[in-house]
Amino acid sequence: DVKVTQSSRYLVKRTGEKVFLECVQDMDHENMFWYRQDPGLGLRLIYFSYDVKMKEKGDIPEGYSVSREKKERFSLILESASTNQTSMYLCASSTSRHEQFFGPGTRLTVL
Amino acid sequence: DQQVKQNSPSLSVQEGRISILNCDYTNSMFDYFLWYKKYPAEGPTFLISISSIKDKNEDGRFTVFLNKSAKHLSLHIVPSQPGDSAVYFCAASYTGTASKLTFGTGTRLQVTL
Repeated sequence: DVKVTQSSRYLVKRTGEKVFLECVQDMDHENMFWYRQDPGLGLRLIYFSYDVKMKEKGDIPEGYSVSREKKERFSLILESASTNQTSMYLCASSTSRHEQFFGPGTRLTVL
Repeated sequence: DQQVKQNSPSLSVQEGRISILNCDYTNSMFDYFLWYKKYPAEGPTFLISISSIKDKNEDGRFTVFLNKSAKHLSLHIVPSQPGDSAVYFCAASYTGTASKLTFGTGTRLQVTL
């Protein structure tokens, strides 16, 4: 079974803090993704990576950066957290096929 | 620009009846479509998919229909069960995009007893 794990299920941070969200997959997948899910907006792609050290912007990259130093690990960084970044963050991984496998999500609250 | 649309935010169906969830898309380059199911506080899980070379794909109680000319797909669940109560997202992709998916906004299905 594919397993995608995320470092925290719930996180509370203050405005202006630097936030790291980590994602690890154990199936040697090439592609990894970060989404945020907000009510009425569905899943929106923040960044994705198709190889180590490679990254591409998704639909809403502003205010975020990513790092992929190892194939199994993909980190999402909020350089200076703001209240409008309060959301559910979901990590996913995939092979060259279309299906993506998701982690359990991190509920981030920025106060 | 919402390329994948789910116009019904919610749907309530009685147990045992058919649930029909709909999805429309605008990008004619999309050639692969997927449905995901999401329970609260969990990540989405893959349910069923269909390639644009087909117009129907079936897996147990779940069937996805694709109408390319109308740019419309639907998910049928027969019979509906209380455990099917969840948010359903449709998603689309096209070849050569590193399996990047574009998701709809989701439909919350409630199956009542």
